[in-house]
Amino acid sequence: DIQMTQSPSSLSASVGDRVTITCRASQPISGYLSWYQQKPGKAPKLLIYAASSLHSGVPSRFSGSESGTDFTLTISSLEPGDFATYFCQQSYNTPHTFGQGTKLEIK
Amino acid sequence: QMQLQESGPGPVKPSQTLSLTCSVSGGSISSGGFYWSWIRQFPGMGLEWIGYIYQNGNTYYNPSLKSRLNITIDRSENQFSLKLSSVTAADTAMYYCARDTRGGYSDFWGQGILVTVSS
Repeated sequence: DIQMTQSPSSLSASVGDRVTITCRASQPISGYLSWYQQKPGKAPKLLIYAASSLHSGVPSRFSGSESGTDFTLTISSLEPGDFATYFCQQSYNTPHTFGQGTKLEIK
Repeated sequence: QMQLQESGPGPVKPSQTLSLTCSVSGGSISSGGFYWSWIRQFPGMGLEWIGYIYQNGNTYYNPSLKSRLNITIDRSENQFSLKLSSVTAADTAMYYCARDTRGGYSDFWGQGILVTVSS
């Protein structure tokens, strides 16, 4: 299985901050990487697919990038509704595997 | 707007079979190009991909569950189902169904159903 190592596991930030979350794949995954946002009691929601493509309806303050086996989710200016848990997932090979999650909290 | 809804019989006892159904509305499960998947989330928040099925019935399972897993599709009812046999407490989780694109991204999710395995 492809291992996805996500960091940090938690992050404290303030409204207006720029934050970055990283996922590293254990082998090349050719950009088959997606990012999800999950709020308590809710299902995950797709934010970014194909490493850097913004899913329909997702605000442009969210962006994704790729460098080799390293993938980054950036939120350019945090809004109150962005405090949630974020997960990456690779879909290059089955079984599709997830990162451990990053809990983004208000400082 | 596509909607997915999980349903199931409630708590499951160890060694029994867990059965869940995902009903799809707002679109046809027979539409080409999509996979219909099951994902679970453990109490500690970790996510595990269980497997998915294509409209033609082809399945792809997580090898860690393959010996206990069966995913089927019912095009006439616009739904798909999961059966996981010989469950243990380790199978206690929130179970989600989702629609996956060809790229493997889950763009529509059900609200989830909590399955507790307990005697």
